Amino acid sequence: GQQLNQSPQSMFIQEGEDVSMNCTSSSIFNTWLWYKQDPGEGPVLLIALYKAGELTSNGRLTAQFGITRKDSFLNISASIPSDVGIYFCAGQLAGANSKLTFGKGITLSVRP
Amino acid sequence: GAGVSQSPSNKVTEKGKDVELRCDPISGHTALYWYRQSLGQGLEFLIYFQGNSAPDKSGLPSDRFSAERTGGSVSTLTIQRTQQEDSAVYLCASSPQGGLSVLTFGAGSRLTVL
Repeated sequence: GQQLNQSPQSMFIQEGEDVSMNCTSSSIFNTWLWYKQDPGEGPVLLIALYKAGELTSNGRLTAQFGITRKDSFLNISASIPSDVGIYFCAGQLAGANSKLTFGKGITLSVRP
Repeated sequence: GAGVSQSPSNKVTEKGKDVELRCDPISGHTALYWYRQSLGQGLEFLIYFQGNSAPDKSGLPSDRFSAERTGGSVSTLTIQRTQQEDSAVYLCASSPQGGLSVLTFGAGSRLTVL
């Protein structure tokens, strides 16, 4: 089946720093999504990308849908302590009944 | 309701017992997914319901796992003869339709098998 690769498994940054996360796949996806999961909660959608090359921002977050349709990145600028959590990328193939495939996630820690 | 509701939020059971986990999706959402999240792991797809179509069961790890969705709304995930390796958080999500719709997740049911 399709696999999404996220690495490293954990990232540690200082408050105020920018951080970039990448997600790659051997398969072509039609939709890329980025989710964040806080402890004890379900993942919450951050950004959805629907077209190759699309660059979308949501506050301090910016995500891009790679031109090859096999990758996506998420940038967080000027990190704050509440940015801690697990960040998942997810991809979806074309088709009305396609299911989402998730990466293993990156755990982000922000030092004050 | 306003969001995806899952119950119980926590379940502790003994090895060999059966458990049922419930998911109440957002009203009107036709697509419903179950995922499993083990400690330190990503989201493992289990099963997907879309409207009246046959469910995609390709992610169920063994025949001890089953799920049904009654009336196109509430779903129940059943794990029979639980094993310790079944311990995980079971997440349910729904969307207005399959295809290009984004998922809204519940808070999950944490299962601990002793």
